[in-house]
Amino acid sequence: DAGVIQSPRHEVTEMGQEVTLRCKPISGHNSLFWYRQTMMRGLELLIYFNNNVPIDDSGMPEDRFSAKMPNASFSTLKIQPSEPRDSAVYFCASSLLGQGAQETQYFGPGTRLLVL
Amino acid sequence: AQKITQTQPGMFVQEKEAVTLDCTYDTSDQSYGLFWYKQPSSGEMIFLIYQGSYDEQNATEGRYSLNFQKARKSANLVISASQLGDSAMYFCAMRDDDYKLSFGAGTTVTVRA
Repeated sequence: DAGVIQSPRHEVTEMGQEVTLRCKPISGHNSLFWYRQTMMRGLELLIYFNNNVPIDDSGMPEDRFSAKMPNASFSTLKIQPSEPRDSAVYFCASSLLGQGAQETQYFGPGTRLLVL
Repeated sequence: AQKITQTQPGMFVQEKEAVTLDCTYDTSDQSYGLFWYKQPSSGEMIFLIYQGSYDEQNATEGRYSLNFQKARKSANLVISASQLGDSAMYFCAMRDDDYKLSFGAGTTVTVRA
């Protein structure tokens, strides 16, 4: 089975541009998580969805960040306008919650974003 | 408040030897889960092992085992018979009642031949 798929794997953009990161969770999983990893702050949860509904977006840095999950197999994280401090690795993870399972989150390969 | 503490920024281990990575956590929840992930230099996050708060036995997955001491709130990872491919950053994480994962700062392991 395919794991979590993220695209693009690398993105270089200029300050002020819009950036859209994409994620396809593992089929059958009902929850999706967006994380950001930086040297300074480590791994931070930005937002998570359960059954396509945003449950907790308290980690979203500011209004420039938005996330959507229009269906069970696709999610986007958008930054508009982007700033150099947004440079980081963005991970998407998915899991199966509420089924008595371990609820392990499986991560995608990440998107390395560089904002110049 | 910091929920996960990994006190070892970096460790060296000789090939074929065992290494223990420390992790302590803080939560008032009765039900929680503890995870370890490996992040090699290529950057992906690889799930290694899970321990539930109600599990009485320590979790094991191949060469990985989790030394769970609930009263001390510790969940140390033991890697036995280290291999060169084990060189990576290792993260301890905790899931509590709100399903969110909190990660520690990580420990870099370097395996020497």
